[in-house]
Amino acid sequence: QKEVEQNSGPLSVPEGAIASLNCTYSDRGSQSFFWYRQYSGKSPELIMFIYSNGDKEDGRFTAQLNKASQYVSLLIRDSQPSDSATYLCAVKKNTGFQKLVFGTGTRLLVSP
Amino acid sequence: EAQVTQNPRYLITVTGKKLTVTCSQNMNHEYMSWYRQDPGLGLRQIYYSMNVEVTDKGDVPEGYKVSRKEKRNFPLILESPSPNQTSLYFCASGGLPEQFFGPGTRLTVL
Repeated sequence: QKEVEQNSGPLSVPEGAIASLNCTYSDRGSQSFFWYRQYSGKSPELIMFIYSNGDKEDGRFTAQLNKASQYVSLLIRDSQPSDSATYLCAVKKNTGFQKLVFGTGTRLLVSP
Repeated sequence: EAQVTQNPRYLITVTGKKLTVTCSQNMNHEYMSWYRQDPGLGLRQIYYSMNVEVTDKGDVPEGYKVSRKEKRNFPLILESPSPNQTSLYFCASGGLPEQFFGPGTRLTVL
């Protein structure tokens, strides 16, 4: 079992729709969770992080965390073609200083 | 402008020929790290450094070396590259949650 799992996609949504990206993790003791966006050929950039159960909103993005189910999700409202990218879920390990474990990413395609 | 730079951006080399990928940051960060990204495997940490002269192994350190003689620089050294080190490499700077990634170095080892 991978430590962080994501569906590779592609997830296709029309412009204006809500895109829902999901991630599960195996270490029940994990406390910090991150979503990165990576455009093709570019480096990852942080878009959201969440530490507590529940929802955290930032503009069109909402991160959701359910520690009991070991589940993290990212919702993108009013999806735009410019949101088309690969979204990486990352979990901070309890062992190792500042250590992140990444999922393999979900490719999102937003069609005009 | 705050940035992380890597050089070279693209490199094709042959098995066994030593190479160094440089990484430099201008944000005075203590923490820096190196990742490789491979299809189906995601980003995996190679080495990290908590400060000058303090480095430690990540998940996939075999075949790599690092040094941290200055705070701003964290080079990745492949002393005898092999084809299985063909990958996309990213340097990252800064502690969580704000970890800034460099632009990447695409390495091909023939």
